[in-house]
Amino acid sequence: KQEVTQIPAALSVPEGENLVLNCSFTDSAIYNLQWFRQDPGKGLTSLLLIQSSQREQTSGRLNASLDKSSGRSTLYIAASQPGDSATYLCAVSHGSGNTGKLIFGQGTTLQVKP
Amino acid sequence: GAVVSQHPSRVICKSGTSVKIECRSLDFQATTMFWYRQFPKQSLMLMATSNEGSKATYEQGVEKDKFLINHASLTLSTLTVTSAHPEDSSFYICSASLNEQFFGPGTRLTVL
Repeated sequence: KQEVTQIPAALSVPEGENLVLNCSFTDSAIYNLQWFRQDPGKGLTSLLLIQSSQREQTSGRLNASLDKSSGRSTLYIAASQPGDSATYLCAVSHGSGNTGKLIFGQGTTLQVKP
Repeated sequence: GAVVSQHPSRVICKSGTSVKIECRSLDFQATTMFWYRQFPKQSLMLMATSNEGSKATYEQGVEKDKFLINHASLTLSTLTVTSAHPEDSSFYICSASLNEQFFGPGTRLTVL
């Protein structure tokens, strides 16, 4: 059974710092991995999607890496801003379409202080 | 990107009533939609996989007679919480699958 773990559960940093969020999964036979952002009381915003054949994806100040063999992914946020404060969720899937259900980690709640 | 809507965004109901939540893919057709539930301070947990024109597949521990799912068209799936009780109060989020999953904004259900 796939289990997804995120460390740390919470993180508080001053504005401008670079930071790394960690995600690990127990079954390396994944189809893809996604990082999401969730603001309090809101839905999910997809940040980055990494296919199993890829090693990293970048979007602006965000960079996500994937090491499938070791069951790990990291989300790197450069030059953090107060607007980055949110909960970040990592999720993996084992297929697409009908088999593409996502298994989520517990999330890392980030606070960036001005 | 693809857009998924949910309606209503928030609902408060009395214990024992039934509540229907709609999930629509606005600009694409989705043969598969997923329903997730999120309790406060917790992550999302998959409830069921919904396929157009067929019965939904429920995750272990999710009562199919309590959470009725209908996927009548390629752009609409509905989740009905029957005889809702306070313990059903939660944040319900749907997603529609294209090459990846696109999530709706969620529905906050509060059962008094």
